[in-house]
Amino acid sequence: NAGVTQTPKFQVLKTGQSMTLQCAQDMNHEYMSWYRQDPGMGLRLIHYSVGAGITDQGEVPNGYNVSRSTTEDFPLRLLSAAPSQTSVYFCASSYQQIGGEAFFGQGTRLTVV
Amino acid sequence: GENVEQHPSTLSVQEGDSAVIKCTYSDSASNYFPWYKQELGKGPQLIIDIRSNVGEKKDQRIAVTLNKTAKHFSLHITETQPEDSAVYFCAALSSGQNFVFGPGTRLSVLP
Repeated sequence: NAGVTQTPKFQVLKTGQSMTLQCAQDMNHEYMSWYRQDPGMGLRLIHYSVGAGITDQGEVPNGYNVSRSTTEDFPLRLLSAAPSQTSVYFCASSYQQIGGEAFFGQGTRLTVV
Repeated sequence: GENVEQHPSTLSVQEGDSAVIKCTYSDSASNYFPWYKQELGKGPQLIIDIRSNVGEKKDQRIAVTLNKTAKHFSLHITETQPEDSAVYFCAALSSGQNFVFGPGTRLSVLP
């Protein structure tokens, strides 16, 4: 079982560029989410989805878009990259939103110069 | 909304000693409290969790305690080993909501 797969692992962008971070899970989980991890701030929720076709904003959604066309995939789009978006991004999935193990991907380290 | 605080931010212990990390939460509706371990360059991984109807849970050298009245829960690691060195995150969840994570504790186990 692959679990949660994120690509790419590393990325450098110039200010103003756009890109998509990919996330795929093979556990048939309904709930998927994106977090950013910054030093001393833990994991902050960007966007989440409770099922295909349904997405919602988390704590820090500005500058990011998501879509959920299938149960398996939950891509995160940076519309116009800014240095403040330099961070490590994690995708996670879980069976439901009511409590239970969240499975995390390996992360994408993004640097915006 | 929910707010989770975590202390200490860094913790160094000698191999074989115990380590304790404490978290407090603000939302009395939170009912699920997991602990995640993050090793360098990897994503967080669940190590133990507890639900609000239980006061304590143990899994080998790891235990978690929950005090609902005081709204705090703690991770206890006994007989620490070098491979326990990592960043540990607590989190709180209320049904239908999203996980709120603490800021993390960097644990170093010194040989």
